[in-house]
Amino acid sequence: DAGVIQSPRHEVTEMGQEVTLRCKPISGHNSLFWYRQTMMRGLELLIYFNNNVPIDDSGMPEDRFSAKMPNASFSTLKIQPSEPRDSAVYFCASSLSPDSYYGYTFGSGTRLTVV
Amino acid sequence: AQTVTQSQPEMSVQEAETVTLSCTYDTSENNYYLFWYKQPPSRQMILVIRQEAYKQQNATENRFSVNFQKAAKSFSLKISDSQLGDTAMYFCELLSGGGADGLTFGKGTHLIIQP
Repeated sequence: DAGVIQSPRHEVTEMGQEVTLRCKPISGHNSLFWYRQTMMRGLELLIYFNNNVPIDDSGMPEDRFSAKMPNASFSTLKIQPSEPRDSAVYFCASSLSPDSYYGYTFGSGTRLTVV
Repeated sequence: AQTVTQSQPEMSVQEAETVTLSCTYDTSENNYYLFWYKQPPSRQMILVIRQEAYKQQNATENRFSVNFQKAAKSFSLKISDSQLGDTAMYFCELLSGGGADGLTFGKGTHLIIQP
């Protein structure tokens, strides 16, 4: 199993541009999570899906952020328009279920820099 | 590539007991940070404790303390006087360098505090 795959690994963009981050969860995992990590705030849960349905998006910082999961093998996190304070590492993780404490796997992350 | 290993998928102790969660890591970097996160059922990641590799003194936060053995690349978390609210998933994280490759999580340990 290749694990949770995120792309791109690094993204540098100018303020105001649209940014799309991508995630492919582990096959068979029904839950997918998007996290953001900064040195100041640590890891923050942005949104999670169960069976492709968004369950909790209360962590999404503002309307500039949106996430979709059109099928069981793909999810996107979009920021439009991007701002310098969005610079962080964004992680995707998947698990067998939202309440499963097993098989919880993180991707390698996407480092986003907005200049 | 750096690695983080949490060798205990699940642990269970009685309330008020002391419990130690293990974490070992491997990195070629000399300067790095280590974190322990608690993940309650809300799935939000709560930063429990942080250790800077260049500091020899073990970090302590109330009932939480670490045993940082740099030569052995070990970073265990000790929870004293465990409470029912400590029941959660605990993740060990290694942060080094400046890119997404420098962020690595362990698989997690499910800690259950029994009444």
